[in-house]
Formats: sequence, C-alpha cells, structure tokens
Amino acid sequence: DAGVIQSPRHEVTEMGQEVTLRCKPISGHNSLFWYRQTMMRGLELLIYFNNNVPIDDSGMPEDRFSAKMPNASFSTLKIQPSEPRDSAVYFCASSLGTMDTQYFGPGTRLTVL
Amino acid sequence: SQQGEEDPQALSIQEGENATMNCSYKTSINNLQWYRQNSGRGLVHLILIRSNEREKHSGRLRVTLDTSKKSSSLLITASRAADTASYFCATDASNYQLIWGAGTKLIIKP
Repeated sequence: DAGVIQSPRHEVTEMGQEVTLRCKPISGHNSLFWYRQTMMRGLELLIYFNNNVPIDDSGMPEDRFSAKMPNASFSTLKIQPSEPRDSAVYFCASSLGTMDTQYFGPGTRLTVL
Repeated sequence: SQQGEEDPQALSIQEGENATMNCSYKTSINNLQWYRQNSGRGLVHLILIRSNEREKHSGRLRVTLDTSKKSSSLLITASRAADTASYFCATDASNYQLIWGAGTKLIIKP
C-alpha cells in the first residue's frame, strides 16, 4: 500500500480564498483523522471519522472549517474563507480503529498571506 | 486537549550517547504509543506498550511503563544522527481518540 496520501503538499493562498485539502487513507482503515500542527499549539486534532461518519468535530476552530468523507477512500478539509492564522501543516492520518496505531500522511503545508 | 506531557521539551546529545525521554499522563490507560516525527514529515509509529506490560524493546528502542506513576519513558541507545526528530507519546485515555503530548525535540550532534 502507498500509505496515506495527501494533496497538495504545499499550498500558498491569499487571505479570503477557499482552500481544499485532500486525503486518501490506507485501504481497509475505518478511522480517519485530520490534525493541524503549529509551533505555538503543537499537534491538534481537528476532526475524525469512523466508517465515513464524523464522530467528533470539537477541534474544528470555527465555522470556516468543514470536513467531509464521502466514501471510504477520500476525505477533504475545506477552509473558507482562509485567514493568515490558518497557516500550519495539516496532517491526515488513518487507522484500523479509533484507538489503533495511526498512519500519517506527509502533510500539507498551508501558507495564507 | 493534550494529556500527555513529554519531558524534556528539548534534548541535545552527542552521537553514540543514550537519549531518554519521558511521558506523563493523568488518567488510566489501556495502552501508550510512541511516535517519531522527522522535520517536515508526518508522524511515524515506533512502539505500543499495553497497560499490563512494564517494558518493551524494538531494536535500539526501549520503552517502560509505570502505571502507578502514570508515566512512560523512551530510551534510544547508541544514538545516531538519523535519530534527530521530535518524539511524541499518545495515550488512549479518552474513550474514542488518542491523546497526544507536546513532544520532545531530540538533536543528535555529530
């Protein structure tokens, strides 16, 4: 398996623009997680899905953030409108179950100017 | 929220020396995991230790768990430059998600 795939790897955008981050989990994994990592706040769980259903989105900063998982092999994290404080590295991870070993993608480095 | 607390926050040692990092947590757990993150990369799982285990080895890694003190340690023996990374612990203290520590940044000096 190719592991967790994320795209794009880097994204530079201007404040106010919509940003869509994409993730393909490892085949057969039932849980998918979106994280944000910054120097100031460390690794933060934004939202996670189990069997394509969002279980906990309490980590989503505000309504500008939304996430979907239309099927077992694809998820998106959308920020609209984006703000400079959203600049961070966004990771997607998948696991067999919510408490099992998580496999991380390479991350998307987002810069909002 | 971050339950696990790693210490030290940063550690710099000479190549060949042993590196020890600690993780403390607050509530009962079933297992504890350690992950490594190289600069600019995603986290990589290193080792999982269950609450009924006291010690576990994987190559140059040795993990201990003391449930009475709610703490774990990760020992890397004979460190190499490639061990330079951040190390995170994660516990399953929550009912439905891993709880992550803030990480220890390890620098191995040649």
